[in-house]
Amino acid sequence: DTEVTQTPKHLVMGMTNKKSLKCEQHMGHRAMYWYKQKAKKPPELMFVYSYEKLSINESVPSRFSPECPNSSLLNLHLHALQPEDSALYLCASSQDGGPPNQPQHFGDGTRLSIL
Amino acid sequence: AQSVAQPEDQVNVAEGNPLTVKCTYSVSGNPYLFWYVQYPNRGLQFLLKYITGDNLVKGSYGFEAEFNKSQTSFHLKKPSALVSDSALYFCAVRATGEGNKLTFGTGTQLKVEL
Repeated sequence: DTEVTQTPKHLVMGMTNKKSLKCEQHMGHRAMYWYKQKAKKPPELMFVYSYEKLSINESVPSRFSPECPNSSLLNLHLHALQPEDSALYLCASSQDGGPPNQPQHFGDGTRLSIL
Repeated sequence: AQSVAQPEDQVNVAEGNPLTVKCTYSVSGNPYLFWYVQYPNRGLQFLLKYITGDNLVKGSYGFEAEFNKSQTSFHLKKPSALVSDSALYFCAVRATGEGNKLTFGTGTQLKVEL
């Protein structure tokens, strides 16, 4: 079982909808990540939070809005998405400030389909 | 800038035979290397990481990885493949000075056949 929990597992939404993806971890990790993954491709980094502050935004369109309410939770708010945004969205977490060889731990993702 | 290369899109191996999934890297500082596996409809699962000074690293599910500094490689190996090892494998590197960013290879689909 994964230690990073993502909800929902599947989401279908229209281009005008607003929805949110949620991620939760209880490993005491202080770095949390959002990735986008297309089929058979590597994950693409979107955002990194370090100690609840946004530290990296990989030039993601503003229709994706991340939020880190506390050290255990990470949200991704979605609005006015495009069909090309259909993908698997992965959340990950890791230690922060420790040795750089600490791995990231991934959730099982939310499979998002835009109609 | 750091980069990772996985030269094979797919590797086919018979069950019981040894397997190797190749990975080469390029970083300007010390390399922090990882292998992940992804089964269908799942997230990435951590398999193993390079530990400084250990050229052979053992990980989960019987996998190991051989680090070669002169060839800048970190190949994933298993002495005896199982059908259940069939999955997508990613090599990743995190370089010093790059914060928490991981750079992933393009992935290698491993198919183990009876």
